[in-house]
Amino acid sequence: QVQLQESGPGLVKPSETLSLTCTVSGGSISSYYWSWIRQPPGKGLEWIGYIYYSGSTNYNPSLKSRVTISVDTSKNQFSLKLSSVTAADTAVYYCARGNPPYVTHWYFDLWGRGTLVTVSS
Amino acid sequence: QSVLTQPPSASGTPGQRVTISCSGSSSNIGSNYVYWYQQLPGTAPKLLIYRNNQRPSGVPDRFSGSKSGTSASLAISGLRSEDEADYYCAAWDDSLSGSNWVFGGGTKLTVL
Repeated sequence: QVQLQESGPGLVKPSETLSLTCTVSGGSISSYYWSWIRQPPGKGLEWIGYIYYSGSTNYNPSLKSRVTISVDTSKNQFSLKLSSVTAADTAVYYCARGNPPYVTHWYFDLWGRGTLVTVSS
Repeated sequence: QSVLTQPPSASGTPGQRVTISCSGSSSNIGSNYVYWYQQLPGTAPKLLIYRNNQRPSGVPDRFSGSKSGTSASLAISGLRSEDEADYYCAAWDDSLSGSNWVFGGGTKLTVL
């Protein structure tokens, strides 16, 4: 079955750029929407943004100026870059699949296990 | 502050029926489907209800969802200890700037 796995540094310094990759295994990245969602310790979920396999993106307005999401279909991966991070960006970052394909309003049906990123000097 | 409003906590005893509410507005719940996610301690969220009241394969029929106007509810009947988790509602929010996902703040369900 399809599985998602986040990877990247667990510690990032303030003002630097957080970079994470989500690898999709057991299925193709094509045809679907792919998202990043985060959860600060002890708090709720916040949608960061999504990318369609073709490369089109949409970001949370509150993070838009700092977020870039990209896709590499040859590697079955998509990535997140969040610039100018502060302690407020410390969170568990999840990648998730948007299903079904080819519709405008899809939903998150599969999630990765998440990876904790701490912003600290 | 979350766009969708949920009670921070709920509780019940084994076998009871509990409901969790989710309140939004015309731009999200009022015009789009509602989704519910269950997050067991230390794990990733899992899809529990999609398109207001549909259960994915493998989700027990003890879980049910409903929507009316700009509010939605998740009901859990025959409460079991393994239902103790955080529950989040979610929906698309359509605005002039585009469509974005919004979540509720989450409800921590305690099985007494």
